[in-house]
Amino acid sequence: TQLLEQSPQFLSIQEGENLTVYCNSSSVFSSLQWYRQEPGEGPVLLVTVVTGGEVKKLKRLTFQFGDARKDSSLHITAAQPGDTGLYLCAVSGGYQKVTFGIGTKLQVIP
Amino acid sequence: GAVVSQHPSRVICKSGTSVKIECRSLDFQATTMFWYRQFPKQSLMLMATSNEGSKATYEQGVEKDKFLINHASLTLSTLTVTSAHPEDSSFYICSARDRRTVFANTGELFFGEGSRLTVL
Repeated sequence: TQLLEQSPQFLSIQEGENLTVYCNSSSVFSSLQWYRQEPGEGPVLLVTVVTGGEVKKLKRLTFQFGDARKDSSLHITAAQPGDTGLYLCAVSGGYQKVTFGIGTKLQVIP
Repeated sequence: GAVVSQHPSRVICKSGTSVKIECRSLDFQATTMFWYRQFPKQSLMLMATSNEGSKATYEQGVEKDKFLINHASLTLSTLTVTSAHPEDSSFYICSARDRRTVFANTGELFFGEGSRLTVL
């Protein structure tokens, strides 16, 4: 079973639309990270959320950590073609290990 | 920002040969590095944890004799795919965290650019 469930797995939208990506688990985490990965490259950290209910903004991206610290969401406002990529949520476990969700592949069509 | 560099970025080899991939932390020291494998349209799967000066720790189902890991210094870990076969073709990614932030939950994990292995 997957520790982190991400939905949707695939999303194709028109430029200018809004979207939300979800990351869910039955486990409680001390922190959660969101990464973005472009084809043929390694993931790049977007944000780390730590406190239950925390909201962080990164330009047009809004990240929220659930009150119970079991889930998180990523909302993109007015998506741009440059937002296209694989969005991964991840959590740190024992021995510094990072476990990734399956990812959401986003395509923004001009 | 901190940089992790992988080399080579792409490698094509014949079945049965061995391939070595290097992972370097360029401006920080890392006592631990991690090796991931990513198949097309899938997420990153942790293969093993590379520990400086000691044996690597492998995840369940990963053959340690096939994927040899050496972490000889605080800035370099290598992954050698021995007797590679077509099913080993994948995108291999390493990551590392600055040793000074190890005990911080928010210590950023930096990823290399990845190495695309194609076994013919």
